[in-house]
Amino acid sequence: NAGVMQNPRHLVRRRGQEARLRCSPVKGHSHVYWYRQLPEEGLKFMVYLQKENIIDESGMPKERFSAEFPKEGPSILRIQQVVRGDSAAYFCASSPASSSRSYEQYFGPGTRLTVT
Amino acid sequence: GDSVTQMEGPVTLSEEAFLTINCTYTATGYPSLFWYVQYPGEGLQLLLKATKADDKGSNKGFEATYRKETTSFHLEKGSVQVSDSAVYFCALSDLGAQKLVFGQGTRLTINP
Repeated sequence: NAGVMQNPRHLVRRRGQEARLRCSPVKGHSHVYWYRQLPEEGLKFMVYLQKENIIDESGMPKERFSAEFPKEGPSILRIQQVVRGDSAAYFCASSPASSSRSYEQYFGPGTRLTVT
Repeated sequence: GDSVTQMEGPVTLSEEAFLTINCTYTATGYPSLFWYVQYPGEGLQLLLKATKADDKGSNKGFEATYRKETTSFHLEKGSVQVSDSAVYFCALSDLGAQKLVFGQGTRLTINP
């Protein structure tokens, strides 16, 4: 009974490099969400995707950040030209397609990104 | 916009003590309310939820009641255990919106 899987769990990047974070949702879930947790803060919504579609990206920074959820394979959160302020824990969540339960989001263990 | 405010931590209690973690919210619509728990090194787990006024969510001895008149959803447990040590997040989801809005989290430590 695999839950949401994220990898890597820890990622270290130098300033200017690219970071790629992967998320495999619960089997059968078609909705994926990405959240960011800055140190000593709560989780902040970034983006909501369904297969091959971005539904809500209102929480995504306008530059350097992108997300995708292809027909096959995991969802990817990509951060280009990372800066120190990108250091955070990035959590992925998934939910089933049924609208009556869509608010029940199942979270992965997170990827902790450190930019040096 | 929607927001959630939680009691600041950290909170340290002795085993078998009574626990309250305060949570209040601001929302334009009629939200669903949640408590999530995060154990060390793990992702967030849904602890309990309430979807309408006066609903009481409960799980593992924890309870929270949706109070529309005070816009609150305080988490309570009558007798805490060392295994309850974790970070607790209050959250809301507005009707029609899929995203969760979280409070800043409250770190709870229970000493034996």
